[in-house]
Amino acid sequence: GAVVSQHPSWVICKSGTSVKIECRSLDFQATTMFWYRQFPKQSLMLMATSNEGSKATYEQGVEKDKFLINHASLTLSTLTVTSAHPEDSSFYICSARDRGQGRSNQPQHFGDGTRLSIL
Amino acid sequence: GNSVTQMEGPVTLSEEAFLTINCTYTATGYPSLFWYVQYPGEGLQLLLKATKADDKGSNKGFEATYRKETTSFHLEKGSVQVSDSAVYFCALSDNTGGFKTIFGAGTRLFVKA
Repeated sequence: GAVVSQHPSWVICKSGTSVKIECRSLDFQATTMFWYRQFPKQSLMLMATSNEGSKATYEQGVEKDKFLINHASLTLSTLTVTSAHPEDSSFYICSARDRGQGRSNQPQHFGDGTRLSIL
Repeated sequence: GNSVTQMEGPVTLSEEAFLTINCTYTATGYPSLFWYVQYPGEGLQLLLKATKADDKGSNKGFEATYRKETTSFHLEKGSVQVSDSAVYFCALSDNTGGFKTIFGAGTRLFVKA
């Protein structure tokens, strides 16, 4: 089946540093990838939609300068948390939809998530 | 706009008990409906889906039927196992939202041996 690889799975860093998270579709091409944030015991909050070759579409209330998204190829999207602070600590999950299955009735394929802890 | 409402948890059951997790939705178009499962520390996995009214999705003993008249997609399993302990998310997707997926709040299930 379709596999989405997310890396790293866990990162701990000091306040003020920038952290990059990668999301790769391993056996399919994805023109669209999604980035979610999940707080403990809560649902997924869509942060942005990453579009290959164009700018990402951010949801209301998400700072685009804080959460930089790049989708340079059909198999890779990156999320960079810039100048991270403790309040950015969270579980970040990416997902992708197969390029060949653009209709809404196809499910997304999720990565295993990245747990980010800012000290 | 589109939304998904699912029953609050946690739900605690004994092994072999019957499970129902309620899910209702609001959508302007004709959405596809999904159940995803999240095990501790992991991402989401698709459990089952239904793409049109009266469709029944099923997988690993879980079932859910797309009920347009009641705008519901309740998840059921006849006999739960300890390994079913996880968080379950009901979700919908349609083209009016640019194919975004809208998730419910999630329902945590604990199954005791």
